[in-house]
Amino acid sequence: EAGVAQSPRYKIIEKRQSVAFWCNPISGHATLYWYQQILGQGPKLLIQFQNNGVVDDSQLPKDRFSAERLKGVDSTLKIQPAKLEDSAVYLCATGLGDSYEQYFGPGTRLTVT
Amino acid sequence: SQQGEEDPQALSIQEGENATMNCSYKTSINNLQWYRQNSGRGLVHLILIRSNEREKHSGRLRVTLDTSKKSSSLLITASRAADTASYFCATDGGFKTIFGAGTRLFVKA
Repeated sequence: EAGVAQSPRYKIIEKRQSVAFWCNPISGHATLYWYQQILGQGPKLLIQFQNNGVVDDSQLPKDRFSAERLKGVDSTLKIQPAKLEDSAVYLCATGLGDSYEQYFGPGTRLTVT
Repeated sequence: SQQGEEDPQALSIQEGENATMNCSYKTSINNLQWYRQNSGRGLVHLILIRSNEREKHSGRLRVTLDTSKKSSSLLITASRAADTASYFCATDGGFKTIFGAGTRLFVKA
């Protein structure tokens, strides 16, 4: 079974630039999550989708972050404009639904200079 | 603030010893999960325990849950160097999954 795919794996941008991350879930997984993990901390949920609908985005900085899930499958997370404090690993996870284990992708390491 | 808080923050043991990590949380939950993260394999799910369960086992892992104390523990028996990683508890209260800051485990060969 193929795992959760993410790209790119690494990205370096300057502050005020924009960046986009892509996630392809495990086939059949209805729930998709985007997390931000800052070095030395646990993952922080940014947004959760159930199919192509948003379940929770209470911790998503909506003035600069946006996310969508196309046809309930792939998802993209965008930051525009980026700030220095956005430097982190962005993790995508998918699962069968709420209260099930989550399967994580390898993450995208973003460095904002 | 984060829901789950792991204790200790860091733990260093010899290979073959047991490692115990604790997680405390604040509000009622549907389930609690433990994850492991290392540089080689990223974040990997270890075990899920539901609010009506008190103990679960998986291989060398034993997880307990005490909902009256709002706490959980993860025991790794007969540890190996390959167990060196960060371990996170994640609570699901029905709205969203919240991860703690993690326990960093170092197993010396």
